[in-house]
Amino acid sequence: GENVEQHPSTLSVQEGDSAVIKCTYSDSASNYFPWYKQELGKRPQLIIDIRSNVGEKKDQRIAVTLNKTAKHFSLHITETQPEDSAVYFCAASPITGFQKLVFGTGTRLLVSP
Amino acid sequence: SAVISQKPSRDICQRGTSLTIQCQVDSQVTMMFWYRQQPGQSLTLIATANQGSEATYESGFVIDKFPISRPNLTFSTLTVSNMSPEDSSIYLCSLRTSRETQYFGPGTRLLVL
Repeated sequence: GENVEQHPSTLSVQEGDSAVIKCTYSDSASNYFPWYKQELGKRPQLIIDIRSNVGEKKDQRIAVTLNKTAKHFSLHITETQPEDSAVYFCAASPITGFQKLVFGTGTRLLVSP
Repeated sequence: SAVISQKPSRDICQRGTSLTIQCQVDSQVTMMFWYRQQPGQSLTLIATANQGSEATYESGFVIDKFPISRPNLTFSTLTVSNMSPEDSSIYLCSLRTSRETQYFGPGTRLLVL
């Protein structure tokens, strides 16, 4: 089955810096890659997603890139702010079965003022 | 996006007992999922619940331990049976839209003593 690896496990940046989180997946049949942000005590919130027919997608300060050949995708956050501090999860969805999500292990991002 | 609610939001239970978690959605959805998030960990899919059919369980999860009901397109329950301290987790339901996007409920925090 699908396996998703995520790095780094923790990331500390200064406010205004950029942050990059990387994920790799194993199943070349996966075609949907969402990113979730989870603040302490809250539910995971979808922040951006990308499908395999697109190489890059941007939404204000957040962007996601996808390299299908290498089977990896990345989350880029520019001009980070303290409120970006949270745990970020990547996920991949195989096209077989119920298109269930397989999650990465998570990255704890800390943005210091 | 759909509004998802869960009951209870948290509970403290004694080992050997069972707890039923309810998930209510404000619109009809075909695909609903139940996840477990152990403390400080990522999300792990327990099962996929489709209306009118038996739930499909992931490896490591069995129906006797986690029975699921899906009586209609807006409601599902997950029961955690014969609980032990290892079942202490956050349990989240989610729904999938027609475009693969998944949204999560607020979660149920379970502590088993």
